[in-house]
Amino acid sequence: AQSVAQPEDQVNVAEGNPLTVKCTYSVSGNPYLFWYVQYPNRGLQFLLKYITGDNLVKGSYGFEAEFNKSQTSFHLKKPSALVSDSALYFCAVRDSGGYNKLIFGAGTRLAVHP
Amino acid sequence: DAGVIQSPRHEVTEMGQEVTLRCKPISGHDYLFWYRQTMMRGLELLIYFNNNVPIDDSGMPEDRFSAKMPNASFSTLKIQPSEPRDSAVYFCASRQTGFSDTQYFGPGTRLTVL
Repeated sequence: AQSVAQPEDQVNVAEGNPLTVKCTYSVSGNPYLFWYVQYPNRGLQFLLKYITGDNLVKGSYGFEAEFNKSQTSFHLKKPSALVSDSALYFCAVRDSGGYNKLIFGAGTRLAVHP
Repeated sequence: DAGVIQSPRHEVTEMGQEVTLRCKPISGHDYLFWYRQTMMRGLELLIYFNNNVPIDDSGMPEDRFSAKMPNASFSTLKIQPSEPRDSAVYFCASRQTGFSDTQYFGPGTRLTVL
């Protein structure tokens, strides 16, 4: 079965420190992977995606994600966290059975402390 | 582009009343998705359309829910009769064929059924 797992409900980071939000996936075929961010009382905003090519993908607001095929992971990273990065982060994978749908993880709440 | 537009942003109603949520997708996008977000169940896909035609409504919780897309620029999600357990944030998202499945979300409608 296709799925996305975000093993941490919450990640706490001090401002200025690097952050990692973890995501693993299970899908047949080549994965299309996405990260979205949701700020309070807002819709989900697209951050970045991996389709093919370089395993390190750069996205909005200084975020990047590393695709690791052997570990079936797509962790979101940022070298230096900002308080304004505090939000809910969702990992998603394209449903290989139905190309038009995305399968979302449960979300990870990132809290960046001053 | 104005992005995906949803109305109303907040809706408070009493149990048994009819509720209609509205969505205007991004111009030129041919896919439209309706999602529901709750603390307990996370982000759930309810239904999606392609070129105004419903493709997959397997996520619609029950017959009280219905969705329509009469033209390329407008869709509605209706709940009749509404129940307290329908309280959630409802998101609309759209995407364009050929752009690697990236979906763009509206700001959501927060529905409270008393």
